[in-house]
Amino acid sequence: RKEVEQDPGPFNVPEGATVAFNCTYSNSASQSFFWYRQDCRKEPKLLMSVYSSGNEDGRFTAQLNRASQYISLLIRDSKLSDSATYLCVVNSEGTYKYIFGTGTRLKVLA
Amino acid sequence: NAGVTQTPKFQVLKTGQSMTLQCAQDMNHEYMSWYRQDPGMGLRLIHYSVGAGITDQGEVPNGYNVSRSTTEDFPLRLLSAAPSQTSVYFCASSPQGILGTQYFGPGTRLLVL
Repeated sequence: RKEVEQDPGPFNVPEGATVAFNCTYSNSASQSFFWYRQDCRKEPKLLMSVYSSGNEDGRFTAQLNRASQYISLLIRDSKLSDSATYLCVVNSEGTYKYIFGTGTRLKVLA
Repeated sequence: NAGVTQTPKFQVLKTGQSMTLQCAQDMNHEYMSWYRQDPGMGLRLIHYSVGAGITDQGEVPNGYNVSRSTTEDFPLRLLSAAPSQTSVYFCASSPQGILGTQYFGPGTRLLVL
């Protein structure tokens, strides 16, 4: 089993829709969690960190469920510019190693 | 600030050749790392460093060497290039090793023939 797993998608949604992605992780000792965004042929960029109590940044909401070992990302009112690949990142075993998921591709359609 | 810079942007090598991928950051970050990204595999950690003079192996270190003589620079050396090393290589830095966020360079696309 991969340490971090994501549905590769693509998720094709119309503009204005709400879409959610999940990411599961296998190591219960994982300490920190992030969502990164990667545009085609570009470097990953931090979208948001994921806090235990959940957090929101504008149209984006991140949640952490430690009991079930997954994190989620909810995007409300999708924009064409949200089209990208969303990478789930987990800090491995409380070390300096970050483990990336393979990403979920989102396409927002006009 | 230039952030994280990588050179070259593109490189074609023949099997057996060696080369160094350069990475530099001007944010005084202690933590730096190298990843490779392959289709369907996501980003995989090659080597990382938590400060000048300190390096450690990641998930896929074989065939690569690193050194960290200064806080700013973290070069990645391919000792004897193989076609399996064809990939996109990203360098990243972070102000905090465990809880910090990472800033990525634009990447180096490497093709090994």
